[in-house]
Amino acid sequence: SQQGEEDPQALSIQEGENATMNCSYKTSINNLQWYRQNSGRGLVHLILIRSNEREKHSGRLRVTLDTSKKSSSLLITASRAADTASYFCATDGGGGKLIFGQGTELSVKP
Amino acid sequence: GAVVSQHPSWVICKSGTSVKIECRSLDFQATTMFWYRQFPKQSLMLMATSNEGSKATYEQGVEKDKFLINHASLTLSTLTVTSAHPEDSSFYICSASYLAGGPGRPRTDTQYFGPGTRLTVL
Repeated sequence: SQQGEEDPQALSIQEGENATMNCSYKTSINNLQWYRQNSGRGLVHLILIRSNEREKHSGRLRVTLDTSKKSSSLLITASRAADTASYFCATDGGGGKLIFGQGTELSVKP
Repeated sequence: GAVVSQHPSWVICKSGTSVKIECRSLDFQATTMFWYRQFPKQSLMLMATSNEGSKATYEQGVEKDKFLINHASLTLSTLTVTSAHPEDSSFYICSASYLAGGPGRPRTDTQYFGPGTRLTVL
């Protein structure tokens, strides 16, 4: 079953702008991960944030986690056309399983 | 490192036939592999968890007799869609994870995804 809800479902921005995607989940977690999927392709792991972390950076990516609100956000700064993809959050479902959110479809226009 | 491949990348078959999809971890031993299905514009839905040498654990609502999963080695898992029907047309993605970590090894709490297999049943 799906646990994560993401918003917005779709986001269209201009190159150079920042993109923020949000994810909410329902149960307690050990960690939360963000993945990117280019159209018709597999998923690429972006970043993992553990439940005892509040913020994490990786290049142009910044992820925050608020366990009290059961929510996370992914910020992509200075977006590029190549960032166009769908972005999914995923929480651990026990036994190594991942429970994915509905995803945000990001379109970065050059 | 941590490369997962899938074969075939796409397949078209007639209704009633069976289709086998392979998932391989190329540079690490995957103690656990996962199979997902993704319909257009939707998220990934976990179908089953496959541990090497044991029977797969299927998610609720997934027919184990229709989606046969075999994980015979630490680098290979197969998904066979039996008696495929048009409603089985979907994007099937596998992922692999590695139990024990260590320097140079994939993280244990990260799944590495294959590129997916597009199945079209006519």
